[in-house]
Amino acid sequence: EAQVTQNPRYLITVTGKKLTVTCSQNMNHEYMSWYRQDPGLGLRQIYYSMNVEVTDKGDVPEGYKVSRKEKRNFPLILESPSPNQTSLYFCASSLSSGVKTQYFGPGTRLLVL
Amino acid sequence: AQSVTQPDIHITVSEGASLELRCNYSYGATPYLFWYVQSPGQGLQLLLKYFSGDTLVQGIKGFEAEFKRSQSSFNLRKPSVHWSDAAEYFCAVGPSNDYKLSFGAGTTVTVRA
Repeated sequence: EAQVTQNPRYLITVTGKKLTVTCSQNMNHEYMSWYRQDPGLGLRQIYYSMNVEVTDKGDVPEGYKVSRKEKRNFPLILESPSPNQTSLYFCASSLSSGVKTQYFGPGTRLLVL
Repeated sequence: AQSVTQPDIHITVSEGASLELRCNYSYGATPYLFWYVQSPGQGLQLLLKYFSGDTLVQGIKGFEAEFKRSQSSFNLRKPSVHWSDAAEYFCAVGPSNDYKLSFGAGTTVTVRA
């Protein structure tokens, strides 16, 4: 089944404790992206990757890191989480050609205390 | 810069009644336009998309949307709402030559019996 998977789905952590949220897709998509969703703000793009070893900042990259060492994986790293990073995070992927329809993962709900 | 406005934060509609969700966008060139639905606790699912051609687009679950360039709008409609349509709906716009999607803040739809 074609899908985007994220782990963990739920995470509670404390300020300053480094964490990684994994994202994996099995559709051989070149493009992957991370979004955060906050009430009243919709989805805002954090980082995106056009292909392996190619990443760029989205609209809200501060406090986040990403890497793209393999085509299928695009982890989101919070080196020193803060409470304002409490949010619902979505990973998405798409082909690099055509309409570039993005397929979304199920989301990761993060609470930073 | 591109942006999306969804003027209605919350809409309540009776089951069987028609539904229209508004979406206005700001973009300097020909945009790609999308509507996504997010059911409670779920990820985003693509309802429909427009990139060229016929301005009336049919999607899944009986939804349709009409692109009106003169009004910079891409409103979503459904003739008869079912209780399972209760969800949050997001309009998104992106350039044809890039991957950067901008999302609206979302419209929550409540369906009453």
